[in-house]
Amino acid sequence: ILNVEQSPQSLHVQEGDSTNFTCSFPSSNFYALHWYRWETAKSPEALFVMTLNGDEKKKGRISATLNTKEGYSYLYIKGSQPEDSATYLCAFPVYNQGGKLIFGQGTELSVKP
Amino acid sequence: KAGVTQTPRYLIKTRGQQVTLSCSPISGHRSVSWYQQTPGQGLQFLFEYFSETQRNKGNFPGRFSGRQFSNSRSEMNVSTLELGDSALYLCASSFRTGTNTGELFFGEGSRLTVL
Repeated sequence: ILNVEQSPQSLHVQEGDSTNFTCSFPSSNFYALHWYRWETAKSPEALFVMTLNGDEKKKGRISATLNTKEGYSYLYIKGSQPEDSATYLCAFPVYNQGGKLIFGQGTELSVKP
Repeated sequence: KAGVTQTPRYLIKTRGQQVTLSCSPISGHRSVSWYQQTPGQGLQFLFEYFSETQRNKGNFPGRFSGRQFSNSRSEMNVSTLELGDSALYLCASSFRTGTNTGELFFGEGSRLTVL
């Protein structure tokens, strides 16, 4: 059974703190890893789609790295702001199964002013 | 560019009834997938349609079905509702080519409550 695990489950930080969380995924038959941000009462929104081992992507204060050989990705937020409060999801497209994605349970981030 | 639109946003049904949820994808997107979110379960894949064909189905009973129309709009249907079907149902569209899965664009979801 394919499993995607995220840690920690939740995180409470102060405004200005930098933070990071982890996504672990199967290292076999890899071809992409997605990160999404899901704010309360909104729809999930894609942050990154990562495909290459060693990939590092950045969007503003948020960046992500990818290690396909060992099956993990890190998401970093530099200088967290209250508007970064959301659930961060990673998702693993299943090889050769159309558009099926396996989502992790998410990391719920709360940033206090 | 209009986003993914789901209707209805909220609905309440009783056990045994059936429900149909609708999803209009972003223009030009031919792939539409459906996910269920329940507390503590995360997003669970229901099925995906591409050019009116179901490409894959998740591990859900046959009471869950779907279809896609020629304009890429999709519907999902749940028959003989059970209390455990209470969930947020999210639709997502993507611009797929071949077997590659591009990023998903999600709707705001349909929240179903079964009493």
